Amino acid sequence: GAGVSQSPSNKVTEKGKDVELRCDPISGHTALYWYRQSLGQGLEFLIYFQGNSAPDKSGLPSDRFSAERTGGSVSTLTIQRTQQEDSAVYLCASSSQQDTQYFGPGTRLTVL
Amino acid sequence: GQQLNQSPQSMFIQEGEDVSMNCTSSSIFNTWLWYKQDPGEGPVLLIALYKAGELTSNGRLTAQFGITRKDSFLNISASIPSDVGIYFCAGQPGTASKLTFGTGTRLQVTL
Repeated sequence: GAGVSQSPSNKVTEKGKDVELRCDPISGHTALYWYRQSLGQGLEFLIYFQGNSAPDKSGLPSDRFSAERTGGSVSTLTIQRTQQEDSAVYLCASSSQQDTQYFGPGTRLTVL
Repeated sequence: GQQLNQSPQSMFIQEGEDVSMNCTSSSIFNTWLWYKQDPGEGPVLLIALYKAGELTSNGRLTAQFGITRKDSFLNISASIPSDVGIYFCAGQPGTASKLTFGTGTRLQVTL
């Protein structure tokens, strides 16, 4: 079956612009996660959605970052007024209630 | 954010050699996972460990969940060129919760 998909695969933007990154989880998965991976680093947790519960936003680095998940499926991560330090690969993962997380290919964001 | 201590940072080995890497944490996890990431791809799950002391194999891969719940190791036997990539450990306090990742081990295999 289809895995987690993310779009765009690459995004180049100018400092100060807003960007939206999209994640389509595996069908039927109730949990959705966003992580950030800076060059040569491990993955850093950003935000977690589980069903209809309030999201866990504890990993968001600043109020310029937000995410929503509409209809319990697709999620959008928005970064407002992008800064150069926001450049990274943004990875989305989904899981079923008791299962492990499966990752998408990521969106590589470059802020000039 | 927090990252787990993973070592070694990188390894250069010859094809056919065995590989060992480990991961330690200052806090307890109830699940340990090992992922492999190829360039331009997301991490792919290799092995999941759910019980302290558990030893699990997946082909040439063997991983163990430390008895203290604060560490795990991954062994790869008889390495082959396609083993090249970055290996990450990850700890999870429970199912359906966020992962805390290690800093990664970059594996290079020479013929």
